[in-house]
Amino acid sequence: DAGVTQSPTHLIKTRGQQVTLRCSPKSGHDTVSWYQQALGQGPQFIFQYYEEEERQRGNFPDRFSGHQFPNYSSELNVNALLLGDSALYLCASSLAGRGEGTEAFFGQGTRLTVV
Amino acid sequence: RKEVEQDPGPFNVPEGATVAFNCTYSNSASQSFFWYRQDCRKEPKLLMSVYSSGNEDGRFTAQLNRASQYISLLIRDSKLSDSATYLCVVSNTGGFKTIFGAGTRLFVKA
Repeated sequence: DAGVTQSPTHLIKTRGQQVTLRCSPKSGHDTVSWYQQALGQGPQFIFQYYEEEERQRGNFPDRFSGHQFPNYSSELNVNALLLGDSALYLCASSLAGRGEGTEAFFGQGTRLTVV
Repeated sequence: RKEVEQDPGPFNVPEGATVAFNCTYSNSASQSFFWYRQDCRKEPKLLMSVYSSGNEDGRFTAQLNRASQYISLLIRDSKLSDSATYLCVVSNTGGFKTIFGAGTRLFVKA
């Protein structure tokens, strides 16, 4: 049973460029959430996708956009990269509609460095 | 005020010590609560869910106080391998918009 997989694992981009990160959820999961984790900080919620739509969004600018495909995999796109976008980007999958105890499983993350 | 706030840490404790982490959340509509563990440069992994009745898993005990909007994690008989960052996590109904605390770093020393 494959867990959450993310690609690439590491990425270096130049300021102003655009980047696409990818995530495949755990088998049987239908919801994907994206997080940004700066060094020494907890993960910050970017947005969540369910049924190919953005269901919730954190306090991130429109430069951050996403997509979910019919097979539940997801992409995170960041345009006009800034140095401050350098972080570990985590994808988490879960199963929607459950009550107390809806656990999220994380991928290993994509470490993005903007130079 | 942050949606989820944790003890700033770090906590430096000797092996065998008991250590307690506290967490408060601001959204009274929150429904699901968790403690995650994150090792250096790794992804967060679920340590335990926190239920209204409280729950225990070996050396770990989690408690929830909805009236005070407060969650705690108690680690007894600390091991070197417990050294990690502990993240308090709060979700609203159905797991929408899961919010993480900034984490508390624990160092257990021999």
